[in-house]
This record gives sequence, structure tokens and C-alpha cells, in this order.
Amino acid sequence: AQKVTQAQTEISVVEKEDVTLDCVYETRDTTYYLFWYKQPPSGELVFLIRRNSFDEQNEISGRYSWNFQKSTSSFNFTITASQVVDSAVYFCALSEATGGGNKLTFGTGTQLKVEL
Amino acid sequence: ETGVTQTPRHLVMGMTNKKSLKCEQHLGHNAMYWYKQSAKKPLELMFVYSLEERVENNSVPSRFSPECPNSSHLFLHLHTLQPEDSALYLCASSQEGDRLYEQYFGPGTRLTVT
Repeated sequence: AQKVTQAQTEISVVEKEDVTLDCVYETRDTTYYLFWYKQPPSGELVFLIRRNSFDEQNEISGRYSWNFQKSTSSFNFTITASQVVDSAVYFCALSEATGGGNKLTFGTGTQLKVEL
Repeated sequence: ETGVTQTPRHLVMGMTNKKSLKCEQHLGHNAMYWYKQSAKKPLELMFVYSLEERVENNSVPSRFSPECPNSSHLFLHLHTLQPEDSALYLCASSQEGDRLYEQYFGPGTRLTVT
């Protein structure tokens, strides 16, 4: 069975601090995809990144960066110079590619609060 | 309209009512999903439709009944709900192919069962 663990329930930082959100996953599949989503107070989940299991290159997009390490089954997300607008719940998810459709297994999310 | 839309955004219903949630995607995708998000719990996948056929039903009680009349529309029919069914119901869509693509979510319907 697939599982995604986000051990950090809530993180509070002061604006301009860097913050890393942890994600650890479990799967028996050799081919899988990992995702990060942001859920602001409005409720809509916003897609941030998709990474397949064969691509371990780290990725940077503006203030966001992701560190994928298969050896530790982790896919961590770092926000550099955090801003108040980054306040949201962030979800890590793992995909299962069987039987049609893309079945995502989500972690429980990390609530990030960025304060002035 | 763009992306994934859901109506209504908020719904309050009694346990004996019958109501329906509607989802529409404007992205040309061929797979659609219903999720339930309760407080302090991970998002729970309820139903998956791929090419308008239901391919997943995660032991969801029969008081929830999905319908996918075409690739752009998805409904969730509700009847005889319980207070513990109060949650945010999220619809999502994705493009299915030889790769796995990300799902795009709607804003959700906040359901309260009284």
C-alpha cells in the first residue's frame, strides 16, 4: 500500500525566513510520480510540481525548490525568503498508475503560517 | 469559465434531503475525480472516472452516488446523509495517457449536514 507522511503538522515562520516542508513516501512501484499542492484559505488545491521516479534532479522555480532523494524516499519542498502570501496548507502526494485514472495518495498536509 | 468549476460552493442540508453537487472541467481532460476533505484527515479519494467509466469506488457508502454523463461533467448525488459527511468535497480532472499528469482541482463545495 502506498503512504505519504508529512510529519510537520504546522510551521510558523517570520517573513523572509527560509522554510522546508518534509515529505516521506512509501511505495512498491518502481515507476511513480510525486506531487506538491498548495491549498490557500479559499480551499482550491493549486498544483505546484510533478516529479517522476526516474528524474532525481532537483528543481527550482523562483523562490520554490524541491529536493527528491530516492535513497531516503523523500521529496522535500523549500520556500526561500517566505512571504505572507505563502501561508497555506501544503500537500505532498504520490500517484498509483493502475486500472485507469491517476489515483493520488495524499499526506495529511503541513499548515504554513508566515507572519510579518 | 476556465479550469474546474464546482457548484454550489456552500450547501447546508438536512439528513433527509436529496441534493447534487456539480463539477465541470474546461480543460479537455478525460479523467475526473471526487475527493472528500475532512478536518485533520488526508484527502480521501471517493470516485474516479476515466473516459466516462467509473474505475474506482473506494468503499464509499451508497448514500453518495456519482454520475459522469460526459467527459466534462461530474455529479455527486447525495441522499440520507449523516452529520459525519460534513466536509469539503473537491472535484478534480486530469489528462490520462501514457504518462501520469497532475490533477487540477476545483474550489470545492463546503457541505454541512444538520
